[in-house]
Amino acid sequence: GDSVTQMEGPVTLSEEAFLTINCTYTATGYPSLFWYVQYPGEGLQLLLKATKADDKGSNKGFEATYRKETTSFHLEKGSVQVSDSAVYFCALSATYGGSQGNLIFGKGTKLSVKP
Amino acid sequence: EAGVVQSPRYKIIEKKQPVAFWCNPISGHNTLYWYRQNLGQGPELLIRYENEEAVDDSQLPKDRFSAERLKGVDSTLKIQPAELGDSAVYLCASSPQTSTDTQYFGPGTRLTVL
Repeated sequence: GDSVTQMEGPVTLSEEAFLTINCTYTATGYPSLFWYVQYPGEGLQLLLKATKADDKGSNKGFEATYRKETTSFHLEKGSVQVSDSAVYFCALSATYGGSQGNLIFGKGTKLSVKP
Repeated sequence: EAGVVQSPRYKIIEKKQPVAFWCNPISGHNTLYWYRQNLGQGPELLIRYENEEAVDDSQLPKDRFSAERLKGVDSTLKIQPAELGDSAVYLCASSPQTSTDTQYFGPGTRLTVL
């Protein structure tokens, strides 16, 4: 079945450092890909999405490009802030049978940004 | 526009007791999802509704879990009886229609079973 693998954390960076969180997927079809963010004590919020190969999703300085050839959707930000401290989840929309459209999540990567 | 509303936010119960969670989706959203998120893990789907019909309940442990979505709006997820392993955050999400991928999540209910 479809699955998502993302780099394990926690990741600790200094403010203004460059961020990369790796995400790879396995899917039988052509899923949409997502990054969700969960701030402490809050629910999941959609950060960005891409629906087809070579699409780039972007929001709040974060970017991710849908790479079909490497089945990847890595999250990047050029300069992180303390307020970016959160847990980041990579997800795909399932492509098979009755589960089509359901989200399948990675385990999450906790990011801590130090001032 | 109001987001997805869930209650209660926190619940602590003894094992073998029943518990229920309530979700009010974003107005106009036809599709509603219940997820369970164990500590340190990503959310996992329990059940998906399209209007009042449960179209995917393959991951719902039906011996103790039940859900309903009367009139295709609010939904309730119930566990009876609860077990220690049910301690988790239960998340509700909604999306406008079945063909729309983006799901909007509520804040979740954190359940602790003692």
